[in-house]
Amino acid sequence: SAVISQKPSRDICQRGTSLTIQCQVDSQVTMMFWYRQQPGQSLTLIATANQGSEATYESGFVIDKFPISRPNLTFSTLTVSNMSPEDSSIYLCSVGTEYGYTFGSGTRLTVV
Amino acid sequence: GDSVTQMEGPVTLSEEAFLTINCTYTATGYPSLFWYVQYPGEGLQLLLKATKADDKGSNKGFEATYRKETTSFHLEKGSVQVSDSAVYFCALTSSGGYQKVTFGTGTKLQVIP
Repeated sequence: SAVISQKPSRDICQRGTSLTIQCQVDSQVTMMFWYRQQPGQSLTLIATANQGSEATYESGFVIDKFPISRPNLTFSTLTVSNMSPEDSSIYLCSVGTEYGYTFGSGTRLTVV
Repeated sequence: GDSVTQMEGPVTLSEEAFLTINCTYTATGYPSLFWYVQYPGEGLQLLLKATKADDKGSNKGFEATYRKETTSFHLEKGSVQVSDSAVYFCALTSSGGYQKVTFGTGTKLQVIP
């Protein structure tokens, strides 16, 4: 199955700043997904990123707050913009392959 | 829309006890069903999956059977170990290509020696 390298693994950021999270996949994949896991909660899909087109956002998430890039079939970034303490979460990327869905190890973000 | 309901935790068991974590789902068509596990401080890992009715997924002593008649996918293990302590997520994807994964709320399992 695909192997995902996600970074940074964790960061502590000041409110009002932005953080960009990167995911690199070891094979070409059509669709990549970005999830958020708030403390003690389940995973919620933020958006689906297809190469060559704009990301599709789920209800409650907007491009201005969570801009996504997908420049090629092996890479994507998610930016958390103008952060507030409520954005403190684990952010994960995921890809679907013939073997199933693989998740990155996550980025643990703390906003102070 | 799709949804997954799993039993609330935390679940605390003694080592070698029998484990059941209930999971039921609502979905159109014929979803694929998954159990993911998240060990403390680590990322999400696929534990097992089943893609059609009556399929049994199994891995590391864990099993779950896809029951379409009861829309369930309960996770079981005959004898848990301390190393099984983790959060377990039931999940599904709708049929047809690569779709988003819909997760249950997660069940924390703590196994004590």
